[in-house]
Amino acid sequence: ETGVTQTPRHLVMGMTNKKSLKCEQHLGHNAMYWYKQSAKKPLELMFVYSLEERVENNSVPSRFSPECPNSSHLFLHLHTLQPEDSALYLCASSQDFSGRAVYNEQFFGPGTRLTVL
Amino acid sequence: ILNVEQSPQSLHVQEGDSTNFTCSFPSSNFYALHWYRWETAKSPEALFVMTLNGDEKKKGRISATLNTKEGYSYLYIKGSQPEDSATYLCAFINTGNQFYFGTGTSLTVIP
Repeated sequence: ETGVTQTPRHLVMGMTNKKSLKCEQHLGHNAMYWYKQSAKKPLELMFVYSLEERVENNSVPSRFSPECPNSSHLFLHLHTLQPEDSALYLCASSQDFSGRAVYNEQFFGPGTRLTVL
Repeated sequence: ILNVEQSPQSLHVQEGDSTNFTCSFPSSNFYALHWYRWETAKSPEALFVMTLNGDEKKKGRISATLNTKEGYSYLYIKGSQPEDSATYLCAFINTGNQFYFGTGTSLTVIP
């Protein structure tokens, strides 16, 4: 596997379910990100991890819970979601977070299309 | 709320035409401007990372310019090909390392 992978690619869940999205990067990067893409809206940055520590949490509801067990893996745990949380969730990694701007270039995964019923 | 505006939202051009679109962003607290290309059913891919006022970057038929003082960047595609059809996203990064994406310009190149 190369680049950034995400599983599952599609997920349908009920409002009472608990599920997790998984992201793995094979690039040796130090920073990982979760983004949300809703229809007709810009990509919204949700969480940033740098060297396995959370450095950004952009006012995301607590029903989204990130976890970064090591620099290669990032999870997004979902519980009691709402239908408006249906969106494409993209994971990305970058060489570093902060420092030289070129190191912040994002390498994206293919995304998980989430539908909340 | 910080706005990053991209225009136009969408455009259709004939194969062989040259085209350009705009990304507007705040002129204060600028750190970097990224351009990404997002083809349908694929992941967004970086085209350019730009940091300096007056920067010009080129990759094949695609080039970009940056004006940080007035807060805009242009992306140019020379001699558009059908494989250029994609959504082009810009991302403004401020000095606090916060990322703000535009909604993108959707380009369709008609053979």
